[in-house]
Amino acid sequence: DAGITQSPRHKVTETGTPVTLRCHQTENHRYMYWYRQDPGHGLRLIHYSYGVKDTDKGEVSDGYSVSRSKTEDFLLTLESATSSQTSVYFCAISETRVGYTFGSGTRLTVV
Amino acid sequence: TQLLEQSPQFLSIQEGENLTVYCNSSSVFSSLQWYRQEPGEGPVLLVTVVTGGEVKKLKRLTFQFGDARKDSSLHITAAQPGDTGLYLCAGAEGATNKLIFGTGTLLAVQP
Repeated sequence: DAGITQSPRHKVTETGTPVTLRCHQTENHRYMYWYRQDPGHGLRLIHYSYGVKDTDKGEVSDGYSVSRSKTEDFLLTLESATSSQTSVYFCAISETRVGYTFGSGTRLTVV
Repeated sequence: TQLLEQSPQFLSIQEGENLTVYCNSSSVFSSLQWYRQEPGEGPVLLVTVVTGGEVKKLKRLTFQFGDARKDSSLHITAAQPGDTGLYLCAGAEGATNKLIFGTGTLLAVQP
């Protein structure tokens, strides 16, 4: 059930380069989210969207930007990647007051 | 910032044993969800509890939401190796759809 897909699954990039991660859904859900998962910190919200062109910051938004020009796509951009942004990134989708469906994640390494 | 603390952090048990995982907060949540995550994959929703005192059963898993809607527990009866994984609780903030995730409990069930 590939209602949500993330790309790429793995990426290695150099410090200072811009990086864009893509989340694509086929469920027509209103809400989309980007989380990062790090040992000792669990899942932390970066940004979320509650509709096309409607986005807001989460608890760890510094150094990240997002865009949602279509219902089905939510892009996460690291403007200038740093080693502290090495992490596993998860996208999730949901409808109002319903549990999340997560993608399989993107493992990003910044060297 | 609302925090959700889970205990224990790690649990290694033998097949057939029972266990309980706790999720505690000083904040009230409108609902609480439990997820299980396997290596290399995103979390998968197990259950959502909404009403204080609510108990839900999913085969050998029993979920309870505290009366004050600040805490929850997950009890597994007769654990099996297939139950191995990272268990995450997540609280929903008020009227928004944002989830705050707990720190996680890593469960290993030995055959």
